[in-house]
Amino acid sequence: GAVVSQHPSWVICKSGTSVKIECRSLDFQATTMFWYRQFPKQSLMLMATSNEGSKATYEQGVEKDKFLINHASLTLSTLTVTSAHPEDSSFYICSASRSSGVDTQYFGPGTRLTVL
Amino acid sequence: QKEVEQNSGPLSVPEGAIASLNCTYSDRGSQSFFWYRQYSGKSPELIMFIYSNGDKEDGRFTAQLNKASQYVSLLIRDSQPSDSATYLCAVNEHSSASKIIFGSGTRLSIRP
Repeated sequence: GAVVSQHPSWVICKSGTSVKIECRSLDFQATTMFWYRQFPKQSLMLMATSNEGSKATYEQGVEKDKFLINHASLTLSTLTVTSAHPEDSSFYICSASRSSGVDTQYFGPGTRLTVL
Repeated sequence: QKEVEQNSGPLSVPEGAIASLNCTYSDRGSQSFFWYRQYSGKSPELIMFIYSNGDKEDGRFTAQLNKASQYVSLLIRDSQPSDSATYLCAVNEHSSASKIIFGSGTRLSIRP
């Protein structure tokens, strides 16, 4: 168990457009979901933490109006990159955990975003 | 600033030998420690987690934790070429239990 999916796996878009990425926990209920960004040869950087039904908590330096996160159900969270620019091109990875406390995070396969 | 430190490598180990990966962390209050494996272009996958001081074994993998020294390690026995990947150490943040902080990863290369 503990399978997390992401859709799409890759996306190419024009500068100024918005892109939505979905993250789903397939075989468990995810109380908490996390969104990370990873640039080439760098480690994962946490962007935000979201609990089902609550507003997301953003990390310092992450613009909440640019990266819209919705965690509408216990199995689905979405990240929308609004008005994307080339510098937003990155590997976006979500993870999910069963509880809101200390718990293992299970990662989705990631979404590679390229903004032209 | 909570930190998780790893040697970036690359660490080159001959096939069949033991690979030893090390990690130190700065948050004394951390209680949960994780090792993830990440292949190039893929997302991380969980290898092991450890909560208590001492060793925890799972197949060819052994995680070792020393909270007094703020040190956690991963040993891979009988290394295989398929073990070649980047290994990420992750530690929960004491002040925000659900958050984990990742190290920058150690690139491991198993040479045949």
